[in-house]
Amino acid sequence: AQTVTQSQPEMSVQEAETVTLSCTYDTSESNYYLFWYKQPPSRQMILVIRQEAYKQQNATENRFSVNFQKAAKSFSLKISDSQLGDTAMYFCAFTQGGSEKLVFGKGTKLTVNP
Amino acid sequence: GAVVSQHPSWVICKSGTSVKIECRSLDFQATTMFWYRQFPKQSLMLMATSNEGSKATYEQGVEKDKFLINHASLTLSTLTVTSAHPEDSSFYICSARGTNEKLFFGSGTQLSVL
Repeated sequence: AQTVTQSQPEMSVQEAETVTLSCTYDTSESNYYLFWYKQPPSRQMILVIRQEAYKQQNATENRFSVNFQKAAKSFSLKISDSQLGDTAMYFCAFTQGGSEKLVFGKGTKLTVNP
Repeated sequence: GAVVSQHPSWVICKSGTSVKIECRSLDFQATTMFWYRQFPKQSLMLMATSNEGSKATYEQGVEKDKFLINHASLTLSTLTVTSAHPEDSSFYICSARGTNEKLFFGSGTQLSVL
């Protein structure tokens, strides 16, 4: 069974600083996708970034980038120039290729301080 | 972008009553939708996969007679919590896959059973 582990229950960062959230996963599959979702206090789930396992290049979306280490099964999220609006729960998620089921980690609560 | 509408956003009901939650894809057709449950300060747990025109597929440990899912059209899936009890109180979220392969989430429904 696939599992997703987020080892940091809570993190905080100063506004404009950079923060990295950790995620590791376990799978025997070679074709899969990894995601980071943001859940602000409104509880709306928002896709932050997505990575296809077959792509070696790390995905980036504006201030958000990932460090995808396939051999280590690691998928960390870096948020640059943190903004107050980045305060939220961040969930790392995995889906096997050909499946639409998402497996979520337990989440990291990120607080951006002014 | 694709929008998934979920209604109601919150509901309070008496123990023993049934509650129906709707999930609609507003600008795309979704043959498959997903229902998740999220307890306070926890991650999202997949309950079931809703398939248009056929029976839903439930995850292990989820009672199909308790959580009735109907996916009668390509834009609507409903989750009915039957004979609700206080332990069913939770945040329920649906999701649907858009044509661009991205997964979009509804805004969630907070159910409180008294």
